[in-house]
Amino acid sequence: EPEVTQTPSHQVTQMGQEVILRCVPISNHLYFYWYRQILGQKVEFLVSFYNNEISEKSEIFDDQFSVERPDGSNFTLKIRSTKLEDSAMYFCASRARTSGVHGQFFGPGTRLTVL
Amino acid sequence: GQQLNQSPQSMFIQEGEDVSMNCTSSSIFNTWLWYKQDPGEGPVLLIALYKAGELTSNGRLTAQFGITRKDSFLNISASIPSDVGIYFCAGANFGNEKLTFGTGTRLTIIP
Repeated sequence: EPEVTQTPSHQVTQMGQEVILRCVPISNHLYFYWYRQILGQKVEFLVSFYNNEISEKSEIFDDQFSVERPDGSNFTLKIRSTKLEDSAMYFCASRARTSGVHGQFFGPGTRLTVL
Repeated sequence: GQQLNQSPQSMFIQEGEDVSMNCTSSSIFNTWLWYKQDPGEGPVLLIALYKAGELTSNGRLTAQFGITRKDSFLNISASIPSDVGIYFCAGANFGNEKLTFGTGTRLTIIP
């Protein structure tokens, strides 16, 4: 069964450093998402991406965040200057064009620890 | 912003028992979804609901979309050890891409 993959599984970084989290969505999917989950809390929407542009973003997704689809298979989330409060699990998701919002498949997540 | 509150926050039950959890919202959603999250993994969709009043089953799971469109419940019958995990409700509206997740219910099965 096709699945969303994410790398690395765990990233440790120093405050102020830039990080790039990588995702490989399911191959025929055209909508891509990032969510985050602070330890012990709910999953929060960050951004959705379609047709090479951001279609929706939350108030969490400020100027420190950016997303990119650098090639036909990867989807990345960059945090320019990490803060302690960016420590969280980051989940990538993707869905097919023909499915509704319920059709989002989630990856296993990247745990980001900012020291 | 939209808030989804789930209750109970956690449940400790014995294998074989039935489970009931619910989710209430401060605002209306057009779509309600229920997800399960296992440790170290992403959420996995269990049930999707699209119409107010709709009752949908998936094996031992049954979920309902509240008439007011501001709530939903999930029932699990005859719980088994692999039901352990965190259950999240999520709401969505037509034309929006984002899912708004609830606060979660952690299910633990006591041996």
